Amino acid sequence: IAGITQAPTSQILAAGRRMTLRCTQDMRHNAMYWYRQDLGLGLRLIHYSNTAGTTGKGEVPDGYSVSRANTDDFPLTLASAVPSQTSVYFCASSDSTSGGMDTQYFGPGTRLTVL
Amino acid sequence: GQNIDQPTEMTATEGAIVQINCTYQTSGFNGLFWYQQHAGEAPTFLSYNVLDGLEEKGRFSSFLSRSKGYSYLLLKELQMKDSASYLCAGLDSNYQLIWGAGTKLIIKP
Repeated sequence: IAGITQAPTSQILAAGRRMTLRCTQDMRHNAMYWYRQDLGLGLRLIHYSNTAGTTGKGEVPDGYSVSRANTDDFPLTLASAVPSQTSVYFCASSDSTSGGMDTQYFGPGTRLTVL
Repeated sequence: GQNIDQPTEMTATEGAIVQINCTYQTSGFNGLFWYQQHAGEAPTFLSYNVLDGLEEKGRFSSFLSRSKGYSYLLLKELQMKDSASYLCAGLDSNYQLIWGAGTKLIIKP
């Protein structure tokens, strides 16, 4: 059982470029989340999806978009990357239609550097 | 506003006991989580408290006082592998997790 996979593991990106971070889970969890983690700050929610076909904005959604075409995949797109989006990005999933009462399981993360 | 406070860093000795405190202010409250995160890795679930009191799970215990907006994680018989960051997170009325910045625990031999 793989759990949650993310790709790429790390990426260096020129400012202004478009980038999609991939996230796939095989646990059939209904809820999925994207967080960014920056030094000295807690995990901050970017976007979430309570079930396939629906998405919602988190604390820091600007500059990011998501889609949830099916249960397993939840890609995060940066339309035009900026240096302030340099961060470690974690995808997570949970088995809860209410959005977060159940334990969240995290992918290994993507380390993104925007120059 | 919503806020989670926990110490930035703590140091303890192998074999000892350490208590990591967390205070929270959330819009509504649906529980308090503790996660462990080793450097360069993903957070992993440790505990969930929604009722007042102590939950024990092996060497790790977690305590919650809803009236005080306070929780702590207690680690006993510390091992070198316990060196990690410990993240406190409160679940608000929208069932979204509000995360603290984490406490980096350094274990010395």
